[in-house]
Amino acid sequence: DAGITQSPRHKVTETGTPVTLRCHQTENHRYMYWYRQDPGHGLRLIHYSYGVKDTDKGEVSDGYSVSRSKTEDFLLTLESATSSQTSVYFCAISETSGGSYNEQFFGPGTRLTVL
Amino acid sequence: AQSVTQPDIHITVSEGASLELRCNYSYGATPYLFWYVQSPGQGLQLLLKYFSGDTLVQGIKGFEAEFKRSQSSFNLRKPSVHWSDAAEYFCAVGTGTASKLTFGTGTRLQVTL
Repeated sequence: DAGITQSPRHKVTETGTPVTLRCHQTENHRYMYWYRQDPGHGLRLIHYSYGVKDTDKGEVSDGYSVSRSKTEDFLLTLESATSSQTSVYFCAISETSGGSYNEQFFGPGTRLTVL
Repeated sequence: AQSVTQPDIHITVSEGASLELRCNYSYGATPYLFWYVQSPGQGLQLLLKYFSGDTLVQGIKGFEAEFKRSQSSFNLRKPSVHWSDAAEYFCAVGTGTASKLTFGTGTRLQVTL
């Protein structure tokens, strides 16, 4: 299994509070991704990173920010959590080889509940 | 824009029966296609992928999928389902740069004994 950990694994918070989720990898992969998973929607990309300090938005980026100061860590921040951000959040990693597409490896997920 | 459609939200099959999960994609170029499986409370695990070449690809756990360009489909099959195959299955298409993926909404498979 790819070395990907997410912390915390579960979190309950209140509306309006800031929340930071951490993804840590030991594979030295270039690309890292944050998804949210909701019933009926599958997985939707929030943000992704293509290198240290290089990030870009996905399809559902509103209300989220990310940072990547080291290759191994990718942080997802909800500046002011809302109930609509209650979800399961997955981190994924991928490597690049000669410009070819590569599979993504997924972490175990973080279940976030915003009350 | 790219999209993936999994028309079956929920499928129930008997153990030992054959299985086919449908996936249709919309993408302008030659697609990179994936099937992932998610067991309850777990992350996603790659079952198989199609990049080019032989349109019938073999994956783990006895699964296979066939790429049909004319039908924009990438259906997942297994000849004989085991109770442990009960899970949610996601089809995905690789989109653009950075190996990004667009996922379908998933098909939940229930296996009856």
